[in-house]
Amino acid sequence: EPEVTQTPSHQVTQMGQEVILRCVPISNHLYFYWYRQILGQKVEFLVSFYNNEISEKSEIFDDQFSVERPDGSNFTLKIRSTKLEDSAMYFCASSDALAFFGQGTRLTVV
Amino acid sequence: AQKITQTQPGMFVQEKEAVTLDCTYDTSDPSYGLFWYKQPSSGEMIFLIYQGSYDQQNATEGRYSLNFQKARKSANLVISASQLGDSAMYFCAMREGGGGTSYGKLTFGQGTILTVHP
Repeated sequence: EPEVTQTPSHQVTQMGQEVILRCVPISNHLYFYWYRQILGQKVEFLVSFYNNEISEKSEIFDDQFSVERPDGSNFTLKIRSTKLEDSAMYFCASSDALAFFGQGTRLTVV
Repeated sequence: AQKITQTQPGMFVQEKEAVTLDCTYDTSDPSYGLFWYKQPSSGEMIFLIYQGSYDQQNATEGRYSLNFQKARKSANLVISASQLGDSAMYFCAMREGGGGTSYGKLTFGQGTILTVHP
């Protein structure tokens, strides 16, 4: 069964550092997304990506964040100058009619 | 206003019994989709079941079924014959608009923690 793969599963970073979270979406899907879930809270939409550009972004997705599809398979989320409040689980998803999520990257900013 | 509401923060069920997890939604778009995901303690988000707004029949996937009541704007998840491994957080989510080839973001409810007792 096709699946969305995220790496790393855990990332600890110093405040102010840059992190890149990686995702390999399902190969025939065209829509990709990043969501985050702060511990114990609901899942929040960050950004959607289609046809090599951002199709929608939330208020959370400010200039600190960027997304990229550097090649035909990877989809990345970059967080510049991380803050303590960026600590969360970050999910990548890919979609056709159904939306499937990766296993998540647990980011801890210290 | 909340687009997706899950009013049960926690639910308990005896093993082998059925349980219903509630979800109500709010949209003015005639085209939408409703999703249920399971999040075990390990953290991953597992797709369970999908219901499109134009689907005539309630969706079923194995032990999961979706009780879709369009007029009431509810999409409750029914888990039959509960198993210990069903203990997890369950999220209801909605995608508005699209269909065809346009697939927008999901909006999630707050989740319901299900605990299955032996």
